[in-house]
Amino acid sequence: DIVLTQSPALAVSLGQRATISCRASESVRSSMHWYQQKSGQQPKLLIYGASNLASGVPARFSGSGSGTDFTFTIDPVEADDIATYYCQQSRNDPNTFGAGTKLELK
Amino acid sequence: EVKLVESGGGLVQPGRSLKLSCAASGFSFNDYWMGWVRQAPGKGLEWIGEINQDSSTINYTPSLKDKFTISRDNAQNTLYLQMSKLGSEDTAIYYCARASYYDGTYYFPGVMDAWGQGASVTVSS
Repeated sequence: DIVLTQSPALAVSLGQRATISCRASESVRSSMHWYQQKSGQQPKLLIYGASNLASGVPARFSGSGSGTDFTFTIDPVEADDIATYYCQQSRNDPNTFGAGTKLELK
Repeated sequence: EVKLVESGGGLVQPGRSLKLSCAASGFSFNDYWMGWVRQAPGKGLEWIGEINQDSSTINYTPSLKDKFTISRDNAQNTLYLQMSKLGSEDTAIYYCARASYYDGTYYFPGVMDAWGQGASVTVSS
């Protein structure tokens, strides 16, 4: 299985940039997607295909990368962005998720 | 509006079976792959598996392949997850999700762009 490694937490200030990384144990090409999960809610798709913004998602969210190294950015961070962010690869079966990065306020 | 509604969760004794349903509406169900994801209390997301449009291809995460069975009824717009030999480690919220995405130009398999609210399953005696 492809293992996706994310940092467990990131503390940011409102209005600043938050950058979350996701490293894959082998290449997933551009089959990397990012989800936001707020406490008590289901996940929500934000970015698909490494860098494509899902419908209705604000442009302050973005993604980049290919192969094994990916980055998800929120710029600027707003209070409503406090959540846990997961990367997911769909290049190989089984699809896998990263362990999640909890975004916290400084 | 795309809507996915899970049902069938609850308290179940260890070793027993349980079947979850996911009712889909607001889109052409038989045009999409569908999938299941679970989340144990306080833990991250775990991909369970997916099924293609005509049920000819079903993929599972290996550790659950012998316990869980995914199926669908396109006439009823419903996705199912049959779970057997349940243990405490299966206590989780179970989400169904639409698992393929077409952005008007390209097709992206595995992208989960719509999720249900989740069904809670507790395995305990």
